[in-house]
Amino acid sequence: DAGVTQSPTHLIKTRGQHVTLRCSPISGHKSVSWYQQVLGQGPQFIFQYYEKEERGRGNFPDRFSARQFPNYSSELNVNALLLGDSALYLCASSPGTGDNEKLFFGSGTQLSVL
Amino acid sequence: GQNIDQPTEMTATEGAIVQINCTYQTSGFNGLFWYQQHAGEAPTFLSYNVLDGLEEKGRFSSFLSRSKGYSYLLLKELQMKDSASYLCAVMDSNYQLIWGAGTKLIIKP
Repeated sequence: DAGVTQSPTHLIKTRGQHVTLRCSPISGHKSVSWYQQVLGQGPQFIFQYYEKEERGRGNFPDRFSARQFPNYSSELNVNALLLGDSALYLCASSPGTGDNEKLFFGSGTQLSVL
Repeated sequence: GQNIDQPTEMTATEGAIVQINCTYQTSGFNGLFWYQQHAGEAPTFLSYNVLDGLEEKGRFSSFLSRSKGYSYLLLKELQMKDSASYLCAVMDSNYQLIWGAGTKLIIKP
């Protein structure tokens, strides 16, 4: 079975641009979470979606948005990019049937904003 | 505020034992996770503790004391491939994961 897949793996953008990151969860998983990880720090929670509904939102500005599709894949959108948005963006999936589930992470998208 | 503390970096010798500590202050507690992350790769699940005590899984063990807001990850018979960052994460009252900054473990021959 394929694990969590993310695309693209690397991306370079300039300030003010918009970016869309994509994630496909493990087959059968209905919950997708997005995290931002800056080098040398732990992941910071951005969003969680379950059954196409937003289940949680972290402390990120409105420039960050996400959605989940009927096939449970997800997109993370970031508008008006800032230099500080440069980070590794991780997607994690889980079955979504319990509250204490372990997360399975994709390899991430490395975003560089110049 | 919510806070998770773990050492920034530790060094150990191949074949030895190392203990990585994690202390936390969170709004509620619904379990503590340990993840391993090799440089440039995604975190991978190591252990989950929700009750006090020691959970053993092969060379890795994880301990939790809820009253002390404390956990540790114990790695035995260290191998060079264990060189990685080890992330402690606590699930809070909203069932969201709060992550520590990670401990970079360096294994020397």
